[in-house]
Amino acid sequence: KNEVEQSPQNLTAQEGEFITINCSYSVGISALHWLQQHPGGGIVSLFMLSSGKKKHGRLIATINIQEKHSSLHITASHPRDSAVYICAVSAGSARQLTFGSGTQLTVLP
Amino acid sequence: DTEVTQTPKHLVMGMTNKKSLKCEQHMGHRAMYWYKQKAKKPPELMFVYSYEKLSINESVPSRFSPECPNSSLLNLHLHALQPEDSALYLCASSQWAPGTGELFFGEGSRLTVL
Repeated sequence: KNEVEQSPQNLTAQEGEFITINCSYSVGISALHWLQQHPGGGIVSLFMLSSGKKKHGRLIATINIQEKHSSLHITASHPRDSAVYICAVSAGSARQLTFGSGTQLTVLP
Repeated sequence: DTEVTQTPKHLVMGMTNKKSLKCEQHMGHRAMYWYKQKAKKPPELMFVYSYEKLSINESVPSRFSPECPNSSLLNLHLHALQPEDSALYLCASSQWAPGTGELFFGEGSRLTVL
């Protein structure tokens, strides 16, 4: 069983829709990361959080440490949001990150 | 400058070739990483450098040889690779010790081994 589970694996939405991607983990963590990977390959760090909620533009990330669960929300989705969104946790070890398997998001115009 | 720059973006090599991937950051980060990513899979950690010293080698075959000449530069030397080594190779850095802080990734070097 993967230590980091994401859902859904694939998500198709219409432009403007509110999107939620979920991440559950089974280990104690020091931080949780949300990453975005476009088809070209490069990965962008969206959020790093260890408690509460963070917002950046149309993106909101929340984490519930007791429930070992995090969500990434995208408001007013746009086709340029189409990408793979990856949840990853760091447990304070030098290995840095344990990755989820990613959520492929496609936003249709 | 908040960038991690990787070159080349694409590389095609034969199994007998020797080539290198290069990664550079000028953010003063002291931890640098190499990841390997196959299609539709999450990245897999290969090597971690902390303060220019190799701190983690995730049992990577010796045909991959990392090098950290200085705090801004990380190389991955490739020799006698196999077709199954074809993948996207991602470099990343973080400010302090590995396992702490936000990761900054490069765009990756897409390697094809013929």
